[in-house]
Amino acid sequence: GQNIDQPTEMTATEGAIVQINCTYQTSGFNGLFWYQQHAGEAPTFLSYNVLDGLEEKGRFSSFLSRSKGYSYLLLKELQMKDSASYLCAVSEDDKIIFGKGTRLHILP
Amino acid sequence: DGGITQSPKYLFRKEGQNVTLSCEQNLNHDAMYWYRQDPGQGLRLIYYSQIVNDFQKGDIAEGYSVSREKKESFPLTVTSAQKNPTAFYLCASSLGDKPYFGPGTRLTVT
Repeated sequence: GQNIDQPTEMTATEGAIVQINCTYQTSGFNGLFWYQQHAGEAPTFLSYNVLDGLEEKGRFSSFLSRSKGYSYLLLKELQMKDSASYLCAVSEDDKIIFGKGTRLHILP
Repeated sequence: DGGITQSPKYLFRKEGQNVTLSCEQNLNHDAMYWYRQDPGQGLRLIYYSQIVNDFQKGDIAEGYSVSREKKESFPLTVTSAQKNPTAFYLCASSLGDKPYFGPGTRLTVT
């Protein structure tokens, strides 16, 4: 079976840095995605990691360790518009499985 | 413009009725997926298809059916056998890497 875990909620302050962790156990692994989802909207793509290491894209970075079944999403210079849910997803064989998402609250 | 569309955005049905949700893409993607999202929850996989005329059950397929007669289209039917059909339904497609999502259909069954 598959299991993807991430914290349910996190709170951070505007301008700060926050790290959202994701651990996974899957029978197959082809890559890991991070998506952002605002309430009532479809998820939008943030990052895709296939190999171990850090992928940086502007204020957002994502890290993957395949041997540990672990990833994190790092958000820098937080802005109020970053208040959203962040979804970790794993490509397993020919399907894509999502975690339950982490709701991030940004305080001014 | 290339993209993935779902219609309608909001759908209301009476209990006991079957309802079909539309999903169309013109991205030439082979893979298509249907997910369900309940309030405050993540996405749960209902059905997926990697190629025309073939599809597989996801984690919560009971009470749902799909077809994949054309590459561009992957409609989802919510049958009366689905006990709790009220949810936000998301369709996605991919070429083997990141899935692209449609805008979603919010289904309310009363």
